[in-house]
Amino acid sequence: EAQVTQNPRYLITVTGKKLTVTCSQNMNHEYMSWYRQDPGLGLRQIYYSMNVEVTDKGDVPEGYKVSRKEKRNFPLILESPSPNQTSLYFCASSLSPSDVFYEQYFGPGTRLTVT
Amino acid sequence: QKEVEQDPGPLSVPEGAIVSLNCTYSNSAFQYFMWYRQYSRKGPELLMYTYSSGNKEDGRFTAQVDKSSKYISLFIRDSQPSDSATYLCAMSVRMVGNTPLVFGKGTRLSVIA
Repeated sequence: EAQVTQNPRYLITVTGKKLTVTCSQNMNHEYMSWYRQDPGLGLRQIYYSMNVEVTDKGDVPEGYKVSRKEKRNFPLILESPSPNQTSLYFCASSLSPSDVFYEQYFGPGTRLTVT
Repeated sequence: QKEVEQDPGPLSVPEGAIVSLNCTYSNSAFQYFMWYRQYSRKGPELLMYTYSSGNKEDGRFTAQVDKSSKYISLFIRDSQPSDSATYLCAMSVRMVGNTPLVFGKGTRLSVIA
């Protein structure tokens, strides 16, 4: 089944404890991205990757890191999480970086709480 | 003024009703308009996209874009309880991945059987 998977789905952590949220897609998609969704603010892009080894900042990149060493994986790293990073996170992928939004698949989401 | 405005609802309608969901925007450069549906505890899924002005129909769903008014709509005919979800509008200047996709905050819809 074609899908985008994220792990973990739920995470409660403490301020300053490094964490990684994994994202994997099995559709051989070139483009991947991370969003966060907050009440009253909607979906905002954190980082995106046009292809392997090519990443760039979205609208709200502060406090996050990403890497794209393989085509299928695009982990989101929070080196020192803070309470304002409490949010619902979505990974998404698209086949081609030139027609990204025609068919963008989202993962199921990771609900992160930082205390 | 926010770039994309969308009434968060909630909107509650009886089964079989025609639903109208709307977004307004301020950036006249937007050319690509999308509607996503998001069920509770799930990721958004693309419902429809349109380019520039005009209508697009897909089954019970019709997307409408009026660029002169900077207004887009999604109509759902013969609404079903399974249509209960949050609907997000999104828009972009280009379809290339290094172009921002700007989302509305979403409208929560409940279709009551």
